[in-house]
Amino acid sequence: DVKVTQSSRYLVKRTGEKVFLECVQDMDHENMFWYRQDPGLGLRLIYFSYDVKMKEKGDIPEGYSVSREKKERFSLILESASTNQTSMYLCASSTGLKTQYFGPGTRLTVL
Amino acid sequence: QKEVEQDPGPLSVPEGAIVSLNCTYSNSAFQYFMWYRQYSRKGPELLMYTYSSGNKEDGRFTAQVDKSSKYISLFIRDSQPSDSATYLCAMREAGNNRKLIWGLGTSLAVNP
Repeated sequence: DVKVTQSSRYLVKRTGEKVFLECVQDMDHENMFWYRQDPGLGLRLIYFSYDVKMKEKGDIPEGYSVSREKKERFSLILESASTNQTSMYLCASSTGLKTQYFGPGTRLTVL
Repeated sequence: QKEVEQDPGPLSVPEGAIVSLNCTYSNSAFQYFMWYRQYSRKGPELLMYTYSSGNKEDGRFTAQVDKSSKYISLFIRDSQPSDSATYLCAMREAGNNRKLIWGLGTSLAVNP
């Protein structure tokens, strides 16, 4: 079974803090994705990566950056957290063009 | 207009009912169609995956794709309280595009 893990289930941070969200997958998938999910707005793609050190912007990259130094790990960075980044953050991975497998999510609250 | 439209519900049915969940889309290039189930405070999990038009059945679940009408459906037979979740449709073009386009999800409650 594919396993995608995320570093925290719940996180509370203050406005202006730098926030790191980490995602690890154990299936040697080359593709990894970061989404945020908000009521009424659904799943929105922030960034994705199809190889180590490669990244592509999704639909809402502003205010975020990513890092992929190892194949199994994909980090989402909020350079200066703001209250409008309070959300559920979901990481996913896939191989080739096949379906995406999701982690349990991190519920981030920015105060 | 969004590329993928999905009624958010909520949908409430009695146990044992047949449930029909639907998505419409505007991009005729979509070739791969998925249904994900998401329980409260969990990540989505893949339920059904179909390519192009036709039906696919897996236990109590049937996925249908009608490309001529740009319409996909998920049917749940003999619905159970454990089916209470949000159901998201997702779709993708053919080729190397790894990006999925998502519906907003339909919230389903199956009442015992």
